[in-house]
Amino acid sequence: TQLLEQSPQFLSIQEGENLTVYCNSSSVFSSLQWYRQEPGEGPVLLVTVVTGGEVKKLKRLTFQFGDARKDSSLHITAAQPGDTGLYLCLTGGGNKLTFGTGTQLKVEL
Amino acid sequence: DAGVIQSPRHEVTEMGQEVTLRCKPISGHNSLFWYRQTMMRGLELLIYFNNNVPIDDSGMPEDRFSAKMPNASFSTLKIQPSEPRDSAVYFCASSFSQVPTGELFFGEGSRLTVL
Repeated sequence: TQLLEQSPQFLSIQEGENLTVYCNSSSVFSSLQWYRQEPGEGPVLLVTVVTGGEVKKLKRLTFQFGDARKDSSLHITAAQPGDTGLYLCLTGGGNKLTFGTGTQLKVEL
Repeated sequence: DAGVIQSPRHEVTEMGQEVTLRCKPISGHNSLFWYRQTMMRGLELLIYFNNNVPIDDSGMPEDRFSAKMPNASFSTLKIQPSEPRDSAVYFCASSFSQVPTGELFFGEGSRLTVL
């Protein structure tokens, strides 16, 4: 089973700041997804990246897939309180689906 | 359209009691997953069904846990007997196409507390 390490584990910032969270593995990803989980709810898909070096943008969120497909990052510009949540990366397939350890983000006013 | 529906949302029980969690996947989805989430261990895959057939239950903690999917629209996760260390949020998720290129849709979870 592929192990996914996310960093940082916790992040508390002020509204308007920028931040980057990371998802790393010693193995090559076939493809990777980022999910966000809000309190009391299940994770919700943000993006899927497939190609090494791929960059995808979703409003203030920028996702990058490493050239070697062993790492990915999520950058948030001008964070807002609504961005608060647990950010999870996911890779694998079928019964080998593995979630990362998660980054808990809190954006304060 | 209805998403993945789980019940109960909250369950408080005493050690030794049987617990049954229920899940209705999104219609048309052919894969169903049961996950357990705790602060210490994060999201752990317990079991994965494809076309109602259990493909891999290696994530099931021990014989006290069992899961069934009698048809495409219903699955259960049973814990018997329950123990305090089983306290967690249990999520059911379904998908149509192969994940992680396809999307995994989660229910709102069942929060289990075993006293």
